[in-house]
Amino acid sequence: GENVEQHPSTLSVQEGDSAVIKCTYSDSASNYFPWYKQELGKRPQLIIDIRSNVGEKKDQRIAVTLNKTAKHFSLHITETQPEDSAVYFCAASIWNDMRFGAGTRLTVKP
Amino acid sequence: NAGVTQTPKFQVLKTGQSMTLQCAQDMNHNSMYWYRQDPGMGLRLIYYSASEGTTDKGEVPNGYNVSRLNKREFSLRLESAAPSQTSVYFCASSTGQGLYEQYFGPGTRLTVT
Repeated sequence: GENVEQHPSTLSVQEGDSAVIKCTYSDSASNYFPWYKQELGKRPQLIIDIRSNVGEKKDQRIAVTLNKTAKHFSLHITETQPEDSAVYFCAASIWNDMRFGAGTRLTVKP
Repeated sequence: NAGVTQTPKFQVLKTGQSMTLQCAQDMNHNSMYWYRQDPGMGLRLIYYSASEGTTDKGEVPNGYNVSRLNKREFSLRLESAAPSQTSVYFCASSTGQGLYEQYFGPGTRLTVT
């Protein structure tokens, strides 16, 4: 089955800096790549997603890039703010079968 | 709209007991999912239902059964609970076919002693 690896497991940045989280996937049939943010004790919530026919997508301070040849995708957060502190998960799905990375704990220091 | 709701919020079971986790959505979504989340790990798919009347195994289906009761409801049953099933369980729903955002419920924290 699909295997998703996510790096780094923890990331600490200063407020205003950029943060980058990287994921790789194993199955070239994967066609949907969402990113979820999860605050402590809360449910995961989608922050951005990309489909396999698109290379890049941006939404204000958040962007995702997808390299299908290399089977990796990345989340970029610019101008980080303390409220960006949370655990971020990448995922890759083949239709309804979704596999998640292990998560990155992002801390933004004021 | 309530979105995705789950009951109960917390549950403690003894080894060997059975229970059913309930999930309902009011967004008219076709697809529904059950995940478990263990400390320091991502979510792992247990089962999913692409549409009413269908269910499929995910990454970790052993020890679980599911029922898609109707379009709104998708339940997860533990027939004989084991300590390894101690986890937080999330239900989710989506417009369909895995190409759209999944909306998650608030989760059920299950402890098996």
